[in-house]
Amino acid sequence: DTAVSQTPKYLVTQMGNDKSIKCEQNLGHDTMYWYKQDSKKFLKIMFSYNNKELIINETVPNRFSPKSPDKAHLNLHINSLELGDSAVYFCASSFTGFGGGGQETQYFGPGTRLLVL
Amino acid sequence: ILNVEQSPQSLHVQEGDSTNFTCSFPSSNFYALHWYRWETAKSPEALFVMTLNGDEKKKGRISATLNTKEGYSYLYIKGSQPEDSATYLCAFLDSSYKLIFGSGTRLLVRP
Repeated sequence: DTAVSQTPKYLVTQMGNDKSIKCEQNLGHDTMYWYKQDSKKFLKIMFSYNNKELIINETVPNRFSPKSPDKAHLNLHINSLELGDSAVYFCASSFTGFGGGGQETQYFGPGTRLLVL
Repeated sequence: ILNVEQSPQSLHVQEGDSTNFTCSFPSSNFYALHWYRWETAKSPEALFVMTLNGDEKKKGRISATLNTKEGYSYLYIKGSQPEDSATYLCAFLDSSYKLIFGSGTRLLVRP
């Protein structure tokens, strides 16, 4: 039973295309996140949703748009893909958002490796 | 600029050795410190969420301590095993809920 799943696992696409990455969690968590692992292997938070509401929106180009149809799903849509968008994108979820007094332990998905050519 | 630093960057130890590494973070506006274990080709796995100065947490042979006044946390592994080989990440969460990850300590345990 996969707790946090992402599709696709690998995505190779051309510059300028629009693509989506899907994330689903079956843990009953209220909060979901998107992270980007950059070329230097740093993990950086991009977005956080709590019960379908946007909570955290870090400085991310507005070509990136998260969508949460329900609290078990948080999809990431990327418009007009650029070479610099190539990275591994991780989805995560937790019972509570940050500020949960230690209840915000995050469970990560397997990652989606995006390569923009 | 929030700075989270981990040292050493990498560490090679022999099976059975005990080891420890450090996460340094800002000593102001602290809310929580997270530790993760990240094996190659897998996703990060949460080890600990620490919130109180002086906190000590333990999970099997892995333990962690927290000093929020001076801005550091230590992660200890007792009797390292080859399966402990992974990158250990810390992440600092400040009081405005900004989360910053360190670059990790890569541990390799030789049989």
